[in-house]
Amino acid sequence: LAKTTQPISMDSYEGQEVNITCSHNNIATNDYITWYQQFPSQGPRFIIQGYKTKVTNEVASLFIPADRKSSTLSLPRVSLSDTAVYYCLVGGDFGNEKLTFGTGTRLTIIP
Amino acid sequence: DAGVTQSPTHLIKTRGQHVTLRCSPISGHKSVSWYQQVLGQGPQFIFQYYEKEERGRGNFPDRFSARQFPNYSSELNVNALLLGDSALYLCASSFTGTGVFYEQYFGPGTRLTVT
Repeated sequence: LAKTTQPISMDSYEGQEVNITCSHNNIATNDYITWYQQFPSQGPRFIIQGYKTKVTNEVASLFIPADRKSSTLSLPRVSLSDTAVYYCLVGGDFGNEKLTFGTGTRLTIIP
Repeated sequence: DAGVTQSPTHLIKTRGQHVTLRCSPISGHKSVSWYQQVLGQGPQFIFQYYEKEERGRGNFPDRFSARQFPNYSSELNVNALLLGDSALYLCASSFTGTGVFYEQYFGPGTRLTVT
């Protein structure tokens, strides 16, 4: 199982770009990197997934260096509604390993 | 379209009792996964079911069991409840059973309190 390490918490001001880095030194060849967002008393919500280089969608970008030992979730121009816990999840095909979310990063957006 | 639904929303049980939690996946989704989230921690994988078969199991004791029905809904059963079983139990569904990390849609969870 590829263990992940994230900062416990981060603060940012509205309108800024926020980058959250996840370390996964033991990532396997067939592992994907997925990020989820979770608000209090709700289930996690899928944000973005990638395997290598850069992935972008309407919500965020995901940067993955060539060695894939880390990844960075980038949230452009954050707003107060982006205050949540962000989880980095690494894994591959189902059933082949025990799956677990990372420690999560509690992002607080300051007005 | 309805999202993933879970019942009940909240539940209070006594140590030693048994509990059944229910999940209905998004229409057309054939894979259901269960997670336990203890306060202040990330969700921990318990089970995955795809096409009514168990396809993955996390590091949980045999007191935890689950099943998936022909309509793809699922039940999570926990026997001999312990105080440490108090948590938010999340159900997630996905269209394909290949690659658990394919986008999963989570329900709102069932908050279980064991006293």
